[in-house]
Amino acid sequence: GQNIDQPTEMTATEGAIVQINCTYQTSGFNGLFWYQQHAGEAPTFLSYNVLDGLEEKGRFSSFLSRSKGYSYLLLKELQMKDSASYLCAGLDSNYQLIWGAGTKLIIKP
Amino acid sequence: GAVVSQHPSWVICKSGTSVKIECRSLDFQATTMFWYRQFPKQSLMLMATSNEGSKATYEQGVEKDKFLINHASLTLSTLTVTSAHPEDSSFYICSARGVKGDTEAFFGQGTRLTVV
Repeated sequence: GQNIDQPTEMTATEGAIVQINCTYQTSGFNGLFWYQQHAGEAPTFLSYNVLDGLEEKGRFSSFLSRSKGYSYLLLKELQMKDSASYLCAGLDSNYQLIWGAGTKLIIKP
Repeated sequence: GAVVSQHPSWVICKSGTSVKIECRSLDFQATTMFWYRQFPKQSLMLMATSNEGSKATYEQGVEKDKFLINHASLTLSTLTVTSAHPEDSSFYICSARGVKGDTEAFFGQGTRLTVV
């Protein structure tokens, strides 16, 4: 079966760094997405990885290891507005997104 | 990025009535549209996938006669919740993808449906 696993909740301090992990099992693989979702709003795109390695985009970076079926999202210099749910999603061989349940990130002052 | 407009943003309706939600791709042609439902504190759950001009493919457990999906053009898909009940109250989100094989899906703003 297809499955995406990520922690349910994480807490971090403003200004710090946090890493949100995601492991995946999909039927075929066409890449991995990270989305941010604030309560009551639609998800917004953060990153897409299809090759192994680290993709950096400002304060956010995303890493992928296809051999390990593993990805992480790294958030630096945390701000209060980063409090949100972070969704990991794998793209399978039919280009269907398989969604994780999301990680609720709580930022404390 | 491409823009997907979803309307309405929120709607309250009486039990037994039907509600239509529209999803439009404003600056690209959406060959595939996805409809999701999200209950509080849960992840997105795919309801159905529709390709322009063909019938939607529904996920297991989703009643196709209750959730009518129409994707008549490359820029518009609609989801109609028929005979809505309080348990249908949820956040409904559409997403659209352009050319087949395109990786990124663009999301609408979502519709908060409350059935009273």
